[in-house]
Amino acid sequence: QTVVTQEPSFSVSPGGTVTLTCGLSSGSVSTNYYPTWCQQTPGQAPRTLIYTTNTRSSGVPGRFSGSILGNKAALTITGAQADDESDYYCVLYMGSGIWMFGGGTKLTVL
Amino acid sequence: QVKLVESGGGVVQPGGALRLSCAASGFTFNNYGMHWVRQAPGKGLEWVAMVRYDGSDKTYADSVKGRFTISRDNSKNTVFLQMNSLRPEDTAVYYCAQRGDGYTLAYWGQGTLVTVSS
Repeated sequence: QTVVTQEPSFSVSPGGTVTLTCGLSSGSVSTNYYPTWCQQTPGQAPRTLIYTTNTRSSGVPGRFSGSILGNKAALTITGAQADDESDYYCVLYMGSGIWMFGGGTKLTVL
Repeated sequence: QVKLVESGGGVVQPGGALRLSCAASGFTFNNYGMHWVRQAPGKGLEWVAMVRYDGSDKTYADSVKGRFTISRDNSKNTVFLQMNSLRPEDTAVYYCAQRGDGYTLAYWGQGTLVTVSS
C-alpha cells in the first residue's frame, strides 16, 4: 500500500524561507500526480493554496509557491509570517479516480 | 463566490446509518466533480469519495468502499454521502470539496461532525 509522506513538523523564523515536501513511500512524485497543497489552522476548514503542482489558488499570497524538487512535490514559503503557522497537507491524484492525502506537516513560525 | 454548506451530521450508534448533504452555490454545479473528505479528531485529512460532474462515475477510498455511497442531484445543487454500517473509526468531521479544474480539491465547506458511539 503506497503512502504519501510529509515531514511531521517544521519550524521557520519570521521572514525566513521554508520548503515542505510531499513524497511517496514507493516511487517518485511527478506532475502526473497533480499535487495539491492545503493549509488548515486549528478549528478551521482546509483551504487550497496550490494545485496542479504550481498554480496558486485565487487570493493566495505570492510567498507560497509549488514545485517538483527531485522526486517530491514541494511547497515553499518565502518570507514566512506569523499567520502562516498552520498544518499543511499535500494531496496526490493516484489515478483511477483516487486521491490520497499525506499525513500533514505542522509548521511553527518562531 | 463559491459556498459549500454541509449538513446531516450527528451521533449514531455503531452499525447505524447517516446521510450527509452538501449544498453548493456560487458556481455552475453541474460542471464540477465533488469530493467528500474526512478528519478524525486530532488526525489528518482522509479522502473519502468523489463523484463526477454528471454523476456517471463514483470512486471511493478502500476504508469506506461497500459501506458509503456518494451521489448528487444537479437540479438541487447538492451532493450527498450515504453512510451505512457505521463504525467508531468513522467518527470525524466530514467536508465536501469542489473538484475544481483538473485533478484537485479547489474549495471546501466548513464540515459537519459525525460521531459513531454507543
